[in-house]
Amino acid sequence: GAVVSQHPSWVICKSGTSVKIECRSLDFQATTMFWYRQFPKQSLMLMATSNEGSKATYEQGVEKDKFLINHASLTLSTLTVTSAHPEDSSFYICSARLPSGTDTQYFGPGTRLTVL
Amino acid sequence: AQSVTQPDIHITVSEGASLELRCNYSYGATPYLFWYVQSPGQGLQLLLKYFSGDTLVQGIKGFEAEFKRSQSSFNLRKPSVHWSDAAEYFCAVGSYTGTASKLTFGTGTRLQVTL
Repeated sequence: GAVVSQHPSWVICKSGTSVKIECRSLDFQATTMFWYRQFPKQSLMLMATSNEGSKATYEQGVEKDKFLINHASLTLSTLTVTSAHPEDSSFYICSARLPSGTDTQYFGPGTRLTVL
Repeated sequence: AQSVTQPDIHITVSEGASLELRCNYSYGATPYLFWYVQSPGQGLQLLLKYFSGDTLVQGIKGFEAEFKRSQSSFNLRKPSVHWSDAAEYFCAVGSYTGTASKLTFGTGTRLQVTL
């Protein structure tokens, strides 16, 4: 149980284009999902908290207009990197929190984004 | 604000030897503590967690961790390491804000296992 998937696993795009990454909770409903960014050999940095049916909460320093988050259903959150540039190249990982009563996040397998 | 320190960046152990990965946290209240493992190019897998109660928690793959409030530590242990345990290990502290838990991760410890 508590499986989270991400799509795509990896993506290469040209500078200036937009890329959408999907995060799905496969066997549970997640009112809250999280998006992290991980640079090579570094830890995970929380980018934003995605709440179903409401606006995402972004961490300080994360550009809302650049990293668009949509959480339209209880099993799907999307992260769109708009007008991507090489410095946006990174490993993006999402997680989903089980419904209330527990406080554990389950992580997706990650998406490797390379911007040329 | 909460923080997590993993003082060991890289640890090498022989297969069959015991393992202890250190984790120290800073948090104003009773923390939620987690250990995750990440294989190269993969997401994070939850090994174990501590919310309350028994301070020695058992996890998957034979791992355990002990919460020591007096030392602000949550060290991960395994009596006998297998080659497949080679990976990156992250300790995390969670802060519950009423609607969601925010995880703060340590910088990770890379475990290498020699045969």
